[in-house]
Formats: sequence, structure tokens, C-alpha cells
Amino acid sequence: DAMVIQNPRYQVTQFGKPVTLSCSQTLNHNVMYWYQQKSSQAPKLLFHYYDKDFNNEADTPDNFQSRRPNTSFCFLDIRSPGLGDAAMYLCATSRVGDGSTEAFFGQGTRLTVV
Amino acid sequence: GEDVEQSLFLSVREGDSSVINCTYTDSSSTYLYWYKQEPGAGLQLLTYIFSNMDMKQDQRLTVLLNKKDKHLSLRIADTQTGDSAIYFCAESKGSYIPTFGRGTSLIVHP
Repeated sequence: DAMVIQNPRYQVTQFGKPVTLSCSQTLNHNVMYWYQQKSSQAPKLLFHYYDKDFNNEADTPDNFQSRRPNTSFCFLDIRSPGLGDAAMYLCATSRVGDGSTEAFFGQGTRLTVV
Repeated sequence: GEDVEQSLFLSVREGDSSVINCTYTDSSSTYLYWYKQEPGAGLQLLTYIFSNMDMKQDQRLTVLLNKKDKHLSLRIADTQTGDSAIYFCAESKGSYIPTFGRGTSLIVHP
């Protein structure tokens, strides 16, 4: 059974049109992450939530925002997508503080900007 | 330089062993991971090793860690065509904020 679910798997959006990607988890993990992965590059952390605390990476563009309304759900909002934002977006979760060892990833959402 | 580095490509013949190498810079990393990514899919954890271990074996997979040199390797025995994928090395403290390399594309040919 999928434990980290991302919707949709594929998203096409118009240049400049706001888009939201969603992630849900059934693991009750306290940390949720959003990574951006471009072809032949390492997954790059955009931001993460540690419980309700939002942690933004210093080089994440202002165009990218996130919301975590409850433990299970986390959203990635791209306010004005540009062509350079086309990528695979990966959501991940982990439980920090009890000796857990790994992060669990969703299947990703591939974003195309036209 | 990048925090986690890997070679980008590896090509092996079916049935041979594959060895994928990785170096990292953070000596305080506590966990080191190998993730597998198939085309169009997310990341699947293959195996991990604690930083106080030298080796871990899991069926066809053997992970070797040289903490002094900050070098991690993944050996896949009897490589099959189904092993063709991108393999990512990652490190973290606890399970917090894994940092990834660029991935090694493993190509298995008959």
C-alpha cells in the first residue's frame, strides 16, 4: 500500500499560471519534504516542515511556497511557473527523534510548463 | 564541490557484478543510503548503513563504508536487466534532511 501519495502524477500548466501539487502520507511522520529533481541532477531540497514549523532553503525561489494544514497533507504552490520550473517534484516524509532510519518518497509529480 | 558525489554512468554485462561508488563530505552523517529510481518513478530505498558500520549485506546487495575516506559503495551481485535504473547515494543525520548525489545510471546489457 502506498504510504506517500502524490497527486497528480503528471501536471501540465501554462507559463505564469499558478499550480498546486499535493502530497499525503499515512505514516504519521512528523517531517515532510519537497524536493525538485531535474534531469541528471540530484534531488534538491526546496523546503520542509518539521511538525508545523516551516523551513525554507536559502536558495529556494520566492515563487515556491508550501502549506501543511495537518500532519497528513502538504502542498507545493508555484505562484507563477516559468519554463525553468519544469521538473519532477518529489515529496518525502520521515520520523525524526525516535531512531527511525529512512525517508519515504512518493512517486513524484512531473510538471510540464507550456 | 557538491556534498555527495557519484559517477554518472556504469555499464555492465548481465550476470556480472556492479559496483557503484559515492563520496560525501559531512563527517557527522549518521546514516548513508542507496536509493533506486526507475524511469518516471519516485525514489525507492534499497538499503542503508549506519556510520559506525563497515559493511552490510542484504541478499545481492553489499554496502561498504570507509568512514575515514568518506567513501561508500554499493555492489550488486549477478546484475540483471531489471537492475537497470538510476542509483542515488544519500546521507543524513538521523533520518533528517537526506542529501543526495546526482545519481549513477546503471545500464545492464545482455
